[in-house]
Amino acid sequence: DVKVTQSSRYLVKRTGEKVFLECVQDMDHENMFWYRQDPGLGLRLIYFSYDVKMKEKGDIPEGYSVSREKKERFSLILESASTNQTSMYLCASSLLDRDPFFGQGTRLTVV
Amino acid sequence: GQNIDQPTEMTATEGAIVQINCTYQTSGFNGLFWYQQHAGEAPTFLSYNVLDGLEEKGRFSSFLSRSKGYSYLLLKELQMKDSASYLCAVRDGSARQLTFGSGTQLTVLP
Repeated sequence: DVKVTQSSRYLVKRTGEKVFLECVQDMDHENMFWYRQDPGLGLRLIYFSYDVKMKEKGDIPEGYSVSREKKERFSLILESASTNQTSMYLCASSLLDRDPFFGQGTRLTVV
Repeated sequence: GQNIDQPTEMTATEGAIVQINCTYQTSGFNGLFWYQQHAGEAPTFLSYNVLDGLEEKGRFSSFLSRSKGYSYLLLKELQMKDSASYLCAVRDGSARQLTFGSGTQLTVLP
């Protein structure tokens, strides 16, 4: 079974903190994605990566950065967390042209 | 850019058939996906269409018309456990980026 593991299910951080969300996949997938999911807005793509050290901006990259130093790990970084970044964050991975598998999500609350 | 539209909510009765529509305008097209997401859980893959026509998988079928920018997901013999959000997603011309619609919340009533 493909496994996409996100480091935390729930996270509470303070405004201005630097936040790291970690995602690890065990199926040697080339593509990895970070989405956020908000009521009424669906899943919106923040960043994706199609190879180690490669990254591309999605639809809403502002306030976020990413890191992919190893093929299996894709990190999302909130440089200075703000309350409007309170959301559900979903990581996914896929082979080049196959359907993405999703992790269980991290519900981040910024207070 | 990508624009994907699907109804926000639908309600149907146990045992019935329901069709969830999805229309899209995209810069390039490399396939359309349907996902199911139960509350508090991750989305799970249901179906994939890249050519025109109907793909059938048990109680679920998905249809695609590329010329019309249109797809639908058909759920037959509805069960209570089918109550979930159904997400339509389109892969762009580069085959790298997957863009999701806002999802359709389906409620199945007894």
